Amino acid sequence: NAGVTQTPKFQVLKTGQSMTLQCAQDMNHNSMYWYRQDPGMGLRLIYYSASEGTTDKGEVPNGYNVSRLNKREFSLRLESAAPSQTSVYFCASLREGQYEQYFGPGTRLTVT
Amino acid sequence: RKEVEQDPGPFNVPEGATVAFNCTYSNSASQSFFWYRQDCRKEPKLLMSVYSSGNEDGRFTAQLNRASQYISLLIRDSKLSDSATYLCVVVNAGNNRKLIWGLGTSLAVNP
Repeated sequence: NAGVTQTPKFQVLKTGQSMTLQCAQDMNHNSMYWYRQDPGMGLRLIYYSASEGTTDKGEVPNGYNVSRLNKREFSLRLESAAPSQTSVYFCASLREGQYEQYFGPGTRLTVT
Repeated sequence: RKEVEQDPGPFNVPEGATVAFNCTYSNSASQSFFWYRQDCRKEPKLLMSVYSSGNEDGRFTAQLNRASQYISLLIRDSKLSDSATYLCVVVNAGNNRKLIWGLGTSLAVNP
C-alpha cells in the first residue's frame, strides 16, 4: 500500500517548456487534489477532482491543466512554464467522511 | 479577510513547555475542523480532528469555540520532535470536498 505517489520528485525547466506531473493513489479515494506551496503563501489549491471524470478549478488554476485519467491517477500539466510556477507541488487524495487528506511527497519544480 | 487565519510565529519554546496555538475562521457555516502537521520540506499529515466537545490525544488537546469562531491546539510537555509547522484546516458546509487551509504556525522546541 504505497498511498499517494508523485513523479518526479525534482524538476528543472526552462521558461516555455512543458511538463506533466504524475500522481497516483491506491486507496480507492474518489477525490484528488493538486496544490502548490510557496514560502509565506501556504497551500493553494490549483485543481481538484471530486470523482473520476470531473475536475474543478481551485484558487490558482491559471497556467495549469489537469486530467483525471481514472480513479487512481490525476495529472497536472504545465503547457508553457513560467518562473512564477517555481514551487513545491503536492498531490493529495481525500478519505471521505473523515476529511483526512493524504499527500504525496511533493515535486520540487524550478523554472529558470 | 482570509477564511482561515493563524499566527505564523515562530513560537520558540524550551523542551517541556506548554504551548498553544489559535486559528480563527470567518465562515460561521464551517462544519469540520482539523490540525495538520508539516515537517520541513515534507508533506502535511493529519495530526487530529477537532470535535465540538474538545478532544485529547496524548499530549495534544484540540478545542473548538463556535461562538468566537476559533479552534485551538495545546501541546503539553513539548518535545524536540514537536518542532514543525501546524496547519489549521476548515471544511465548509456545501462544499465538503474542498478543504480551507491556514498558512500555518511554526513551532521550534529548543533543548
